[in-house]
Amino acid sequence: DGGITQSPKYLFRKEGQNVTLSCEQNLNHDAMYWYRQDPGQGLRLIYYSQIVNDFQKGDIAEGYSVSREKKESFPLTVTSAQKNPTAFYLCASSMGTGDEKLFFGSGTQLSVL
Amino acid sequence: QKEVEQDPGPLSVPEGAIVSLNCTYSNSAFQYFMWYRQYSRKGPELLMYTYSSGNKEDGRFTAQVDKSSKYISLFIRDSQPSDSATYLCAMSKTGTASKLTFGTGTRLQVTL
Repeated sequence: DGGITQSPKYLFRKEGQNVTLSCEQNLNHDAMYWYRQDPGQGLRLIYYSQIVNDFQKGDIAEGYSVSREKKESFPLTVTSAQKNPTAFYLCASSMGTGDEKLFFGSGTQLSVL
Repeated sequence: QKEVEQDPGPLSVPEGAIVSLNCTYSNSAFQYFMWYRQYSRKGPELLMYTYSSGNKEDGRFTAQVDKSSKYISLFIRDSQPSDSATYLCAMSKTGTASKLTFGTGTRLQVTL
């Protein structure tokens, strides 16, 4: 089955800790995205990548980092610089950045201990 | 004021009812309009996609865009309990996903 796999489903972060959220897709999509979802707010774009080894900041990139070493994978690291990391994180992909039809993973809920 | 406004609900309707979900927006440059359905603790899935004004129908779902009023709607006919979810509108000026602006979502509950 083609799709996007996010892991883990739930993640807990201690003060001062960096944590990494995994995102893998087998849709052969070029573009991948990370969004953050908070109650009462629309999805906000953190980072996106159009091709391997290239990525751009979205609207709320501070405190986050990404890499795109393989087409299939786009991990997100929530660093200790992100002071309010508790949120539902969604990874998505599209055929290309000229295509606005997003396919989403099932999300990771990150909470602070 | 947010660029895209959406009533958070919850909206509760009986099974079989016609549901109307709406978004208003302030940016007249938006041309691409989408509706996503999101079940609890899951990722959104694309339901409807329209370009510019007009209606689009897909089964029990109809998407309507009124650019003159800056207002989009999603109608669900013969609503089912399985339609219970949060519905997110999204829109952009260009056909690029990185420029999408999402609404906050409306939670819909269809009761038996």
